[in-house]
Amino acid sequence: DAGVTQSPTHLIKTRGQQVTLRCSPKSGHDTVSWYQQALGQGPQFIFQYYEEEERQRGNFPDRFSGHQFPNYSSELNVNALLLGDSALYLCASKASGNYEQYFGPGTRLTVT
Amino acid sequence: AQRVTQPEKLLSVFKGAPVELKCNYSYSGSPELFWYVQYSRQRLQLLLRHISRESIKGFTADLNKGETSFHLKKPFAQEEDSAMYYCASEGGSTLGRLYFGRGTQLTVWP
Repeated sequence: DAGVTQSPTHLIKTRGQQVTLRCSPKSGHDTVSWYQQALGQGPQFIFQYYEEEERQRGNFPDRFSGHQFPNYSSELNVNALLLGDSALYLCASKASGNYEQYFGPGTRLTVT
Repeated sequence: AQRVTQPEKLLSVFKGAPVELKCNYSYSGSPELFWYVQYSRQRLQLLLRHISRESIKGFTADLNKGETSFHLKKPFAQEEDSAMYYCASEGGSTLGRLYFGRGTQLTVWP
């Protein structure tokens, strides 16, 4: 089991563009969360998906949206990119009813 | 909203010295508290959880509700303990959502 995988590893986009980040959860996990980690900060919760629905959402604008597929994989979409969206985006998965979240390696997004 | 504070951004100790990484939380209920660790070029991983009250890699953390603290301690630091440590909380209606501190970079010198 490769654990949580994310793609792509790195991404460079221009202001105003849109981006899609992808995450495959660890085998056996059905719940996926996304976090944004700015340089020098701890991860900040964006949202969580379970049974293909957004179950919780952090303090992020509607430009941030997501999706979970029947195979539990997930996408994070960000529209109208701003310079401030430059960060490491982490995906974490867990099995519902369990507490431990397993993190992926992250996608480094740079907005120029 | 819950808030987690890690006052030290950087912490350096020599091998064999005791180490304590500080963490304070703000949550009026009964939070779940965690320490996550990220070693160089590795992904973020769970180190320990307060409710399990176990020692992992020689580290322990005690929940002090009076001081709303969850400090991470190790009596004799090792060079391989050098890493970024994050304190995190979750609880109440936001169960499953982790609130992270900004992290403390621990360096253990030989």
